[in-house]
Amino acid sequence: EVQLVESGGGLVKPGRSLRLSCTASGFTFGDYAMSWFRQAPGKGLEWVGFIRSKAYGGTTEYAASVKGRFTISRDDSKSIAYLQMNSLKTEDTAVYYCTRGQLWPLAFAFDIWGQGTMVTVSS
Amino acid sequence: IQLTQSPSSLSASVGDRVTITCRASQGISSYLAWYQQKPGKAPKLLIYAASTLQSGVPSRFSGSGSGTDFTLTISSLQPEDFATYYCQQLNSYPPITFGQGTRLEIK
Repeated sequence: EVQLVESGGGLVKPGRSLRLSCTASGFTFGDYAMSWFRQAPGKGLEWVGFIRSKAYGGTTEYAASVKGRFTISRDDSKSIAYLQMNSLKTEDTAVYYCTRGQLWPLAFAFDIWGQGTMVTVSS
Repeated sequence: IQLTQSPSSLSASVGDRVTITCRASQGISSYLAWYQQKPGKAPKLLIYAASTLQSGVPSRFSGSGSGTDFTLTISSLQPEDFATYYCQQLNSYPPITFGQGTRLEIK
C-alpha cells in the first residue's frame, strides 16, 4: 500500500525548533518530489515547500512565509523526507501534511497525502 | 498567482448537479488540480491537468477549463461528496497556490 506517515509534531515555544519526518512506503521514494503543506486551524491549505527528486537535482523551493526558517531534506535510502522548522512563530501553528508529487506529461499534482501532524507554537 | 473560487459555500441536495468555479489571476494553461477535503482528514486529489480524473475517483466528478477559468462539476451529488473543495495551480511556482476553498453542505 502506498502510504506516507508524518511524525514529530507537538507543542513548542516561539523561537524554538522542531523537525517533522515523513516516512514513505509502497513506492520508490527516490523517484518522486516530496512536498509539505499546512493548514492552520479553521483555515485553508497553504504550500510550505518541496524537494525535487535527485533526477531533477534534489533542489528545494519554499513559500515566502517560511523561507530562511524552514528546510526540507530527504534520505532516499530510508524513504524519509524531513521538514526542519527553526525560529517558529505562533502563526506556524497548523496541521502539516507530507505529500508526493506526481509528474505526468504536461501535468503535476500531489497524489498521495499523509494523515498530517499537528504543530502548535505557543508560550 | 491568485486563485479565486466561487461560491465560498454552497448548499445542495443529494442528486443535484453542482458546479464550482476557480479563476486564476493570470493564465495557467491547464496546470490546475482539484482536491476534496473532509473534516479532520487529509485532502484527496480528484482531478489534475484541469480535466483528468485521478485513478479511483468516481466519474460523477469532472473538470474543465484552461487559461484563467476552470470548473469542477459533480453530476449527481452523493452523501459522501459533502466536503470542502480546493483548486490548486501548478503552472508558476514558487509559490504553489490554492483557492480559498468551497464548502459544500447538505441542504
